[in-house]
Formats: sequence, structure tokens, C-alpha cells
Amino acid sequence: ETGVTQTPRHLVMGMTNKKSLKCEQHLGHNAMYWYKQSAKKPLELMFVYSLEERVENNSVPSRFSPECPNSSHLFLHLHTLQPEDSALYLCASSQAPGTGINEQFFGPGTRLTVL
Amino acid sequence: QKEVEQNSGPLSVPEGAIASLNCTYSDRGSQSFFWYRQYSGKSPELIMFIYSNGDKEDGRFTAQLNKASQYVSLLIRDSQPSDSATYLCAVRLGGFKTIFGAGTRLFVKA
Repeated sequence: ETGVTQTPRHLVMGMTNKKSLKCEQHLGHNAMYWYKQSAKKPLELMFVYSLEERVENNSVPSRFSPECPNSSHLFLHLHTLQPEDSALYLCASSQAPGTGINEQFFGPGTRLTVL
Repeated sequence: QKEVEQNSGPLSVPEGAIASLNCTYSDRGSQSFFWYRQYSGKSPELIMFIYSNGDKEDGRFTAQLNKASQYVSLLIRDSQPSDSATYLCAVRLGGFKTIFGAGTRLFVKA
């Protein structure tokens, strides 16, 4: 059991739906991340928030919209997704750089299927 | 393009043997290096990190770093069937950017 939780664990949605993924960390960290993991590909960093401010945005399509209301919560809002967006979406948290090794701890992930 | 390269495997070793997992990276400015274990259908779990040249040991795991060769490895001694998983190498470039390799699948035969 990790200190990072994600809901839902599984999500099936149509291309016209709007849904949101939620992440919560209980580790006292101040940086949170969204990653996409597709089969046989490296984890792809999507977004990073530090102290609720977005600090990384890796050319992610606008159909993915992140939100970080506070340092413990992170959302990923989804709309008009494509079938190729089907993947495991992982949330992670860490301390901000400059405060240690900054190892990242992952949540269990949301398995997303877009029909 | 910053890259982290791993042999995809599968690497198959008998129970009790030493498993050796390797990783190379392209950015000489890389600062910290991590090994994660990921069981099928689960999320990555941090095993070890290393940031200085040399070896770092933790139980049955030893991480080795050679910055001159841009090479990091993970040795698993006395491999157990429960060690069968995909091992991800991750390299922190600086700031918030961490690049992950695609992972090496390890299979430990009982």
C-alpha cells in the first residue's frame, strides 16, 4: 500500500465522454506528476505541478487538462479522447528538487480504455 | 533527445542466481538514478536510488553507477521467483525531469 491513491482504478469511456482522474498523496510531498504508460513503451511524463503551479507540460494534447487545487490533490480531466489514449495513467509525488533525492512514489494507476 | 536504454529481455535466471540488469543513459548532466520494480498490472515501486559513482547495497540488491561510462546497473543476489517483474531504470536530469527506460523483464525460474 503506497501513500498515493488514485481513482478510479479502471475507466472505460467513449470518445465523446468527459471524465476525470483523481490522485491524492498522503506523504507530505509538494510535487505531483501525471505519467502515461503504454504497452512496451517507457513512461511518458505528461504534467508536473510543484506547490500547485504547473512546471512541466510535455506537449500533451489539449484533450488532457490537469488541475492541482492543493499540494495533496491532482486531477486529470479528459474529453474527446481517442482510442490511442488507452493506457495506464500513473500519478506520482515527490519532494521538490533541492530538498533531497526527490524519488518519486507512484499511485496504483488508472487503466483507461477509450472505445 | 534524452534517452535511457535498457534491454527489454526477458532475462531468465535460475532461482538462487545473480540477476544483472543494465541501463545506459545519454545525458551527462544526469544527477540521480533510480531502479523501480513493476509487477504485471501494478504500478512501479522504488527499489533503490544512487547518485555517486560506485556501489550501493541494500539487502539482496546492489546498484552500481559509472558516470564516465554513463552506465547504471542493478544486481539481485539469491534471485527468487518473487523477483520476477519488469525493472525500470530512471534518470533524473535536473529540475523535475525524470526519464524512464522501457524496462527489462526478469523471469526467475524455480
